[in-house]
Amino acid sequence: GQNIDQPTEMTATEGAIVQINCTYQTSGFNGLFWYQQHAGEAPTFLSYNVLDGLEEKGRFSSFLSRSKGYSYLLLKELQMKDSASYLCAVYNFNKFYFGSGTKLNVKP
Amino acid sequence: GAVVSQHPSRVICKSGTSVKIECRSLDFQATTMFWYRQFPKQSLMLMATSNEGSKATYEQGVEKDKFLINHASLTLSTLTVTSAHPEDSSFYICSANAGLAGRADTQYFGPGTRLTVL
Repeated sequence: GQNIDQPTEMTATEGAIVQINCTYQTSGFNGLFWYQQHAGEAPTFLSYNVLDGLEEKGRFSSFLSRSKGYSYLLLKELQMKDSASYLCAVYNFNKFYFGSGTKLNVKP
Repeated sequence: GAVVSQHPSRVICKSGTSVKIECRSLDFQATTMFWYRQFPKQSLMLMATSNEGSKATYEQGVEKDKFLINHASLTLSTLTVTSAHPEDSSFYICSANAGLAGRADTQYFGPGTRLTVL
């Protein structure tokens, strides 16, 4: 089976840095993806990791440790528009399995 | 970038009726498309994999006779919710892979269809 865990909700201040964690236990693994989803909209791709380490894309970075079944998404210089849900997804045998999502609230 | 469209964006229907949702890849061909369902405040749940020219494969717990999937061409997959009931009310999202098979970084999501069953 697929078990992917994320915190339900987080709050952070505009301009700050926030780290959203994701742990997974899956029957296979071909990559770990992060998506952003605003309410009522489809997810949009942020970042992904196939190998261990840190991937940086502008204000967003994602880290993966395959041995620990652990990933995190790091958001820097938070903006109000970053208020959204962040979905962690394991890519496995050509399919995506999503975590429950973390709702991030950015306050002024 | 690649675009995936869905139609309709919103649909309201009476209990017992059937509803068809279309998913189209607008500027690329997709031999495989995926259908997800998302209940309020929950994450996306993979329902089935739609394969062009062959039967769809369904995830465990998804009723194949209730959620009919047809992948008629390399750019179109349809999901039909048959005999819809209020508990089927959800946000349905499709995705398609624009790149080589297995290249997950070229996966694109449609805008979603909000289904409300009265």
